[in-house]
Amino acid sequence: QVQLQQWGAGLLKPSETLSLTCAVYGGSFSGYYWTWLRQPPGKGLEWIGEINHSGSTNYNPSLKSRVAISVDTSKNQFSLKLSSLTAADMAMYYCARAHEQVDYYGLDVWGQGTTVTVSS
Amino acid sequence: QSALTQPASVSGSPGQWLTLSCTGTSIDVGGYDSVSWYQHHPGKAPKLIIYDVTNRPSGVSFRFSGSKSGNTASLTISGLQAEDEADYYCSSFTGTSTPYVFGTGTKVTVL
Repeated sequence: QVQLQQWGAGLLKPSETLSLTCAVYGGSFSGYYWTWLRQPPGKGLEWIGEINHSGSTNYNPSLKSRVAISVDTSKNQFSLKLSSLTAADMAMYYCARAHEQVDYYGLDVWGQGTTVTVSS
Repeated sequence: QSALTQPASVSGSPGQWLTLSCTGTSIDVGGYDSVSWYQHHPGKAPKLIIYDVTNRPSGVSFRFSGSKSGNTASLTISGLQAEDEADYYCSSFTGTSTPYVFGTGTKVTVL
């Protein structure tokens, strides 16, 4: 059974860079898009971006200038960096798995979430 | 890309059927058979309950079913149970650089 475990600093100051990592356990790393999402308090889910095992990325245009997602296939891990943080970036951040195959539209495995607070 | 529209809240009694709607446009829900639904209990990670409009992942209760008509997708919960009380989000493929756009979310309350 595939599991995602994520970690990273959850308390940051304005203008700092958020750095989160998500490890994939128990399954193949290829054939999927490894995804980051977030949910601000009281709001809905927002897709941040994704990366596949080859390093091909897609980013939400609204965050593209501040986001970088990378992959380490030797460790079955992928990471998120979000720069120039503001209070608007405060949210629960999740990593998740999407299938590359076109006949499976859904995020079927999720990490446990990381609460990110931005405060001076 | 605008969020998909969902009713803010829906309630029902145990054993009842509930239908949750998710309304988009022709460039997302109406344009692709790529809609997924997620159940989100507070403090837990979201759980995929429907993919590709109508399909249930392994282990998801048969009480959850999905459908789509035009620009509106629907999630039906049959035989409502107390454990179904949660937030529910839909998502659709958009064909833009953002493959996942989510709905505003519906809070389901079991009376």
